[in-house]
Amino acid sequence: GAGVSQSPRYKVAKRGQDVALRCDPISGHVSLFWYQQALGQGPEFLTYFQNEAQLDKSGLPSDRFFAERPEGSVSTLKIQRTQQEDSAVYLCASSPVDRNQPQHFGDGTRLSIL
Amino acid sequence: GQQVMQIPQYQHVQEGEDFTTYCNSSTTLSNIQWYKQRPGGHPVFLIQLVKSGEVKKQKRLTFQFGEAKKNSSLHITATQTTDVGTYFCAGSPGAQKLVFGQGTRLTINP
Repeated sequence: GAGVSQSPRYKVAKRGQDVALRCDPISGHVSLFWYQQALGQGPEFLTYFQNEAQLDKSGLPSDRFFAERPEGSVSTLKIQRTQQEDSAVYLCASSPVDRNQPQHFGDGTRLSIL
Repeated sequence: GQQVMQIPQYQHVQEGEDFTTYCNSSTTLSNIQWYKQRPGGHPVFLIQLVKSGEVKKQKRLTFQFGEAKKNSSLHITATQTTDVGTYFCAGSPGAQKLVFGQGTRLTINP
């Protein structure tokens, strides 16, 4: 597709359940980012991939959060044993290989934990 | 860690008035990017500033990067209803990672 695609758009889960969020970046984009955006706040960095390598995971809030990009294209963000504070919009962005390039965002997944 | 502060948090103007949002970083940035997010939408890239003291214009939008590369501003001249949204600055300390400000939400009275 022409843009970054994320699925599902909305996810409701009960506290304690595991969830998996998918991101399909722009074709040919080497860099992929995950952000968490709480209501009324700016996106907060979670993790960054260059191809299949996870180069920075400093923003992952706990060991319940895990991200992978095994073939250097599609990425999955997994949250285990979800908590209410995990409720947020999870944004994926991609960019070309060069440093400090503009990031192209998907529409996000709105996660609600009951 | 690095922090990016943005003010004001909210701004309401009459259509035709000017609007400015300011961004300050706790550390020197290699570059700064600006994004716009419409209600219910995702951030959309507007511009990137790299050089100290740089000024760039896009029609009615003027972006500035401070001499010390720690602050930036976005000024909109003669706002229109299409300018409604939240404007975010995002600083890059040197790697690919972006640190976003909390945004300025602009609403406009037509």
